[in-house]
Amino acid sequence: QKEVEQDPGPLSVPEGAIVSLNCTYSNSAFQYFMWYRQYSRKGPELLMYTYSSGNKEDGRFTAQVDKSSKYISLFIRDSQPSDSATYLCAANRDDKIIFGKGTRLHILP
Amino acid sequence: KAGVTQTPRYLIKTRGQQVTLSCSPISGHRSVSWYQQTPGQGLQFLFEYFSETQRNKGNFPGRFSGRQFSNSRSEMNVSTLELGDSALYLCASSSLQGTNTEAFFGQGTRLTVV
Repeated sequence: QKEVEQDPGPLSVPEGAIVSLNCTYSNSAFQYFMWYRQYSRKGPELLMYTYSSGNKEDGRFTAQVDKSSKYISLFIRDSQPSDSATYLCAANRDDKIIFGKGTRLHILP
Repeated sequence: KAGVTQTPRYLIKTRGQQVTLSCSPISGHRSVSWYQQTPGQGLQFLFEYFSETQRNKGNFPGRFSGRQFSNSRSEMNVSTLELGDSALYLCASSSLQGTNTEAFFGQGTRLTVV
């Protein structure tokens, strides 16, 4: 079992919809949880990170961590075609970042 | 502020050859981490260098090695290339050692082994 699991998609939603991206993880030692966005032919860029359980909001993006169920979520409100990318969840342990495989998201105009 | 620069962007090599990839971190950043990204395995951690010392290492064979120079630039070397080494190699720089919650990635080097 991989330490961070993520559905690869693709996930296609109409413009303006709320997008929900999810990951599960298996290692209770994880402390920091992150979401990266990766456009085609680009490196990943950090969107948000959270420490421990709870919610964190940044504009149209909300990251949520539930440590009791080992579940990580990213919500995108009012989705735009420019949000089309691969979204990678990640967690930090032993000073390493462990990534999920990424979910490809398509926002349909 | 210039971002993380990786060179070259694309490489084609033959099985058995060796290759060296370069990464220039953001000015002032002393930590450089390397990752391999493939469709099958996703992003996997190779190693991290901080102040010219390898601080952390992933589960890759010894054919994968790296080093960091006094100006924080880093190189990654892969010897005796195998077809399975074809991947996007990414480096990330950070001002802090290890925690890497705010690592900034370069655009990567796309290595194809034929």
